[in-house]
Amino acid sequence: DTAVSQTPKYLVTQMGNDKSIKCEQNLGHDTMYWYKQDSKKFLKIMFSYNNKELIINETVPNRFSPKSPDKAHLNLHINSLELGDSAVYFCASSRRRGTQETQYFGPGTRLLVL
Amino acid sequence: AQKVTQAQTEISVVEKEDVTLDCVYETRDTTYYLFWYKQPPSGELVFLIRRNSFDEQNEISGRYSWNFQKSTSSFNFTITASQVVDSAVYFCALARGSTLGRLYFGRGTQLTVWP
Repeated sequence: DTAVSQTPKYLVTQMGNDKSIKCEQNLGHDTMYWYKQDSKKFLKIMFSYNNKELIINETVPNRFSPKSPDKAHLNLHINSLELGDSAVYFCASSRRRGTQETQYFGPGTRLLVL
Repeated sequence: AQKVTQAQTEISVVEKEDVTLDCVYETRDTTYYLFWYKQPPSGELVFLIRRNSFDEQNEISGRYSWNFQKSTSSFNFTITASQVVDSAVYFCALARGSTLGRLYFGRGTQLTVWP
């Protein structure tokens, strides 16, 4: 069974559209994250939720809105997509908040905005 | 501020050679955690190791070994007798000794192992 799963794996869409990426973890973890990997492979955190509570909100455009319906799911909704949003988005989870906990990553969602 | 530097952008070796990937970090925290992740061509991020700042013991796992030296703020990764399947981008990351869990990543080193 996949520990951290994301859907879809690939997403191709037009500028201006709204899209969502879903993430689910079956590890029983309390904390989940979204990271963005740009075209140069640089990884940067976007958001983190602990037990459905937002605990990290980096400087990202407010077109990006995370939603955590329960602690096993963290979805990412993006409004009014722009060309610069093209990237790979990774979901991750850790047992609980705290840097001593290892983060396990999903397979990534490759978003291409045309 | 936290910073992780992986000065080697790309490394190419021939199979069976040993290769060391460098990682230098900056932090003012006394408690921090260091990680290595592997990103193979298929794109997923695979956890390799975690080290806390109080544990400078080197670690060996099969062909992989890690050398943590606080004196030089380095956490280097060596692959012994490299194999084609080791070809990937390797990321070093740092987490502060706080409770938020944010990972600061280096820019990665692309390792290519030729047959």
